[in-house]
Amino acid sequence: GAVVSQHPSRVICKSGTSVKIECRSLDFQATTMFWYRQFPKQSLMLMATSNEGSKATYEQGVEKDKFLINHASLTLSTLTVTSAHPEDSSFYICSARGVRVDRGNSPLHFGNGTRLTVT
Amino acid sequence: DAKTTQPNSMESNEEEPVHLPCNHSTISGTDYIHWYRQLPSQGPEYVIHGLTSNVNNRMASLAIAEDRKSSTLILHRATLRDAAVYYCILNSRGGGGSQGNLIFGKGTKLSVKP
Repeated sequence: GAVVSQHPSRVICKSGTSVKIECRSLDFQATTMFWYRQFPKQSLMLMATSNEGSKATYEQGVEKDKFLINHASLTLSTLTVTSAHPEDSSFYICSARGVRVDRGNSPLHFGNGTRLTVT
Repeated sequence: DAKTTQPNSMESNEEEPVHLPCNHSTISGTDYIHWYRQLPSQGPEYVIHGLTSNVNNRMASLAIAEDRKSSTLILHRATLRDAAVYYCILNSRGGGGSQGNLIFGKGTKLSVKP
């Protein structure tokens, strides 16, 4: 089945530094990738949507200058948390959708998430 | 976007069947019913999806009501590894959310007792 690889799985950084998270679709081309964030005991919340070759679309309340998203190829999207603060500590999850006309009939494939801890 | 309603939690005994319900009374004709599950500290995992007819795969079965306003995910023999949060999500040809993303509710936390 389709595989999405997310790296790193866990990262600890100091307040004020930046962290980059990579999301790769290993065996399919992903025209669209989604970035979610999940706080403890809560559900996944969409942060932004990235389409290959164009600017990301951010959800309301998500700072685009703080969470930089790059989707430079059909198999790679990156999320950079800039000037991280303790409140950015969370579980970040990417997902990818392959090229398909009927999106309703196409599952989303998820990475295994990145646990970010900002000290 | 059409919403789904699921019980917050359910318990099951190991090796017994589990029926996880989902209500989606405002479902539209183009909405597929998707189920994902999330194990602790992992990303969601696709389980099954369907439109009108019941569906079976190696992981589970999906029973869809005739009026499509509810569905049930069936795990035929629960194992300890099935303990997870199960999400029932509607996904239309337009792709669910405005950008084609999946909109997650709170899901059902399934506990499996040995």
